[in-house]
Amino acid sequence: DVKVTQSSRYLVKRTGEKVFLECVQDMDHENMFWYRQDPGLGLRLIYFSYDVKMKEKGDIPEGYSVSREKKERFSLILESASTNQTSMYLCASSLGGTNEKLFFGSGTQLSVL
Amino acid sequence: GQQVMQIPQYQHVQEGEDFTTYCNSSTTLSNIQWYKQRPGGHPVFLIQLVKSGEVKKQKRLTFQFGEAKKNSSLHITATQTTDVGTYFCAGRRTGTYKYIFGTGTRLKVLA
Repeated sequence: DVKVTQSSRYLVKRTGEKVFLECVQDMDHENMFWYRQDPGLGLRLIYFSYDVKMKEKGDIPEGYSVSREKKERFSLILESASTNQTSMYLCASSLGGTNEKLFFGSGTQLSVL
Repeated sequence: GQQVMQIPQYQHVQEGEDFTTYCNSSTTLSNIQWYKQRPGGHPVFLIQLVKSGEVKKQKRLTFQFGEAKKNSSLHITATQTTDVGTYFCAGRRTGTYKYIFGTGTRLKVLA
């Protein structure tokens, strides 16, 4: 079974802090994604990566950056956390090519105080 | 802004009743996927539809992709309490890797 592991289930940070959310997948997937999930808004794409060191902005990239130095790891960085970034963050991966099924991690509930 | 809308946002049904959620995109999609998220869980892939007018069935679940590839539906026949959760559609924009998720429909099944 594909496993997508997010480093923390719950995280509490202060406004202005730099925050790192880590995601690791163990199935050699090409594509990795970061979404945030908010009630009534569904899942919104922040960034995605289709190869090592390659990244592309999603629909809401402002205030975020990403890093993919190794194929299995995709990090989401909040340079200066703000209260409106309080949310559930979901990482996902897909094999690539014609296999586009997304596998999700369990999510990180981030609270910015 | 959000370009894939789902209706209804919430649905409460009695066990045994049918349920349908609808997904509408403002643009043509390459394909559409459906996911189920149980309360407290993460989205889990159900199915992918690629062809215009495609219909697929999984036991009591029937999925349709519209002729214009702009809308889709998920129909559950004779709901059970295990069907509880939020159902999301996710459409891929033509020419990109981006999957845009719908707003989701939260289903409650009353025993």
